[in-house]
Amino acid sequence: SQQGEEDPQALSIQEGENATMNCSYKTSINNLQWYRQNSGRGLVHLILIRSNEREKHSGRLRVTLDTSKKSSSLLITASRAADTASYFCATVNSGGSNYKLTFGKGTLLTVNP
Amino acid sequence: DTGVSQNPRHKITKRGQNVTFRCDPISEHNRLYWYRQTLGQGPEFLTYFQNEAQLEKSRLLSDRFSAERPKGSFSTLEIQRTEQGDSAMYLCASSLVPEGEWSEKLFFGSGTQLSVL
Repeated sequence: SQQGEEDPQALSIQEGENATMNCSYKTSINNLQWYRQNSGRGLVHLILIRSNEREKHSGRLRVTLDTSKKSSSLLITASRAADTASYFCATVNSGGSNYKLTFGKGTLLTVNP
Repeated sequence: DTGVSQNPRHKITKRGQNVTFRCDPISEHNRLYWYRQTLGQGPEFLTYFQNEAQLEKSRLLSDRFSAERPKGSFSTLEIQRTEQGDSAMYLCASSLVPEGEWSEKLFFGSGTQLSVL
């Protein structure tokens, strides 16, 4: 079963614009992570935010977490064509095993040059 | 650090055949995962190893699926009597986490794309 649901399913923007993707989940979490996947490749970890954190930054990435709404957002600023990929949120549920990551269905981001 | 290696990258097989995939995790990573991903979907958890012990196997895995991690190093995933519904990308991931700690960053391989004809 998939815990997270990303929104939108697909997003198309112009280079230089900001891209925002949202993730909603159902159960209490220990942490939430965002991954990126280029077509036909494995996933690459981008950023992790713990349940007691509200916001984190890494380069052009900004992640927020609202545990009361069980939601997270990933903002990519000043997007580049190379940012074109699928983005997935993954949760480690605090009521479950300490090892399992449960992924959402992802957002397909297309950045047009 | 050579990353997580998966072989083969692609496998085409006929329905009913057996296939085996191999995953070499990052050296000394104690946690190893197998996920399955179909087109347009996120990865779905299949199974998890803590060193050589298989601690969880998803209900997604029928009896036709078996995974091993001898000596806590590389892992193999075997599918017997393949069916067309087994066609998917099979992803392996590993991490190094002290026992009892919560999982954080996973390192993924490039996956094995299975096509069952």
